[in-house]
Amino acid sequence: AQSVTQLDSHVSVSEGTPVLLRCNYSSSYSPSLFWYVQHPNKGLQLLLKYTSAATLVKGINGFEAEFKKSETSFHLTKPSAHMSDAAEYFCVVSPTSGTYKYIFGTGTRLKVLA
Amino acid sequence: EAGVAQSPRYKIIEKRQSVAFWCNPISGHATLYWYQQILGQGPKLLIQFQNNGVVDDSQLPKDRFSAERLKGVDSTLKIQPAKLEDSAVYLCASSPSFDSQELFFGEGSRLTVL
Repeated sequence: AQSVTQLDSHVSVSEGTPVLLRCNYSSSYSPSLFWYVQHPNKGLQLLLKYTSAATLVKGINGFEAEFKKSETSFHLTKPSAHMSDAAEYFCVVSPTSGTYKYIFGTGTRLKVLA
Repeated sequence: EAGVAQSPRYKIIEKRQSVAFWCNPISGHATLYWYQQILGQGPKLLIQFQNNGVVDDSQLPKDRFSAERLKGVDSTLKIQPAKLEDSAVYLCASSPSFDSQELFFGEGSRLTVL
């Protein structure tokens, strides 16, 4: 069985400071992991994905995430927050092969303070 | 390239009424998904189509929900009769094929059941 836990439901940072959104996963086999962003009244957009290649994954808009198998984590980071980063972020786990059954976390709402 | 189109964007109905949502995926995408996103939760898969066949509908409440994709292109999700707990955003997503890793999401249809 697979599951994903997003450890913070809300995160607030000041503009220009680092962002850390935490995600832990549980999977009985090698997973694919994704981060999606959802701006208000918009569809989900893929930020980045890990599919068993490099453990440090770079995504769009300066975001990156590191796959740590020993810690079963896939935390999302960004060196410097921008006002436009304010949104809901979802961590997603899926099996690496076969049907891509996405299992979503409950989301982390990021607030960026001026 | 046009994205995933959904309509209506917003719908308010009384309980026990019926409602239908429409989705037109990205051109050429064989796989189509319907997700339910309840406020404060991550999206949950309701049904997955490959062309016009159902791949997975294990989490679809079949006593009240139905979905079809008759010509393997656009799809309709119907709820009849609606319950209060059906209030949610219904997201449609598509991907090029069964084993594609990235899903492309529409902006969603927000349902309020009074």
